[in-house]
Amino acid sequence: GAGVSQTPSNKVTEKGKYVELRCDPISGHTALYWYRQSLGQGPEFLIYFQGTGAADDSGLPNDRFFAVRPEGSVSTLKIQRTERGDSAVYLCASSFGGNYNEQFFGPGTRLTVL
Amino acid sequence: AQSVSQHNHHVILSEAASLELGCNYSYGGTVNLFWYVQYPGQHLQLLLKYFSGDPLVKGIKGFEAEFIKSKFSFNLRKPSVQWSDTAEYFCAVTGSRNYQLIWGAGTKLIIKP
Repeated sequence: GAGVSQTPSNKVTEKGKYVELRCDPISGHTALYWYRQSLGQGPEFLIYFQGTGAADDSGLPNDRFFAVRPEGSVSTLKIQRTERGDSAVYLCASSFGGNYNEQFFGPGTRLTVL
Repeated sequence: AQSVSQHNHHVILSEAASLELGCNYSYGGTVNLFWYVQYPGQHLQLLLKYFSGDPLVKGIKGFEAEFIKSKFSFNLRKPSVQWSDTAEYFCAVTGSRNYQLIWGAGTKLIIKP
């Protein structure tokens, strides 16, 4: 079946603008994760959804970042008042359950804030 | 805080050479350990994982890794690399929050044909 998909693949925006990044998980996967990967580093955890609810949002860097998953499938990561430091690749992953289950990754969205 | 360190940021080898990529983590409790690979232009894929049992784990494409608890290490090995192994390799662990992957910075591996 189809893997995790993310749109857009690239997003260029200006400082101060609002952006939305979308993730379509693998069908049937109840758990969904967002990570952020800056240049030369490994991914950093942002948020974990189990179903519709955010089970752990401790990785969100500040209140400009917010994510939703209203129907337990597609998720949107929202960033308000973007800053140049938000430039990174935003990765989405999904798995059958939360704990101990293999996470399948999407191709990522490369966000550039000018 | 939990952390993962990968010793080499860049490794260049010739085809047929043996490979060992180092990974150390800092967490004293029970861990689950992973190696992911990212081929050029592709997304992250799981190479192998360790949850429990035999500390020598075999993965796809001839890769294996050994969990040495006393050394907090999970090194990746392959006896004979191929040009197609050119990729970036990431070590990751879960610890106290077993859904949350903590990642190393990655090792870029280049295999010269």
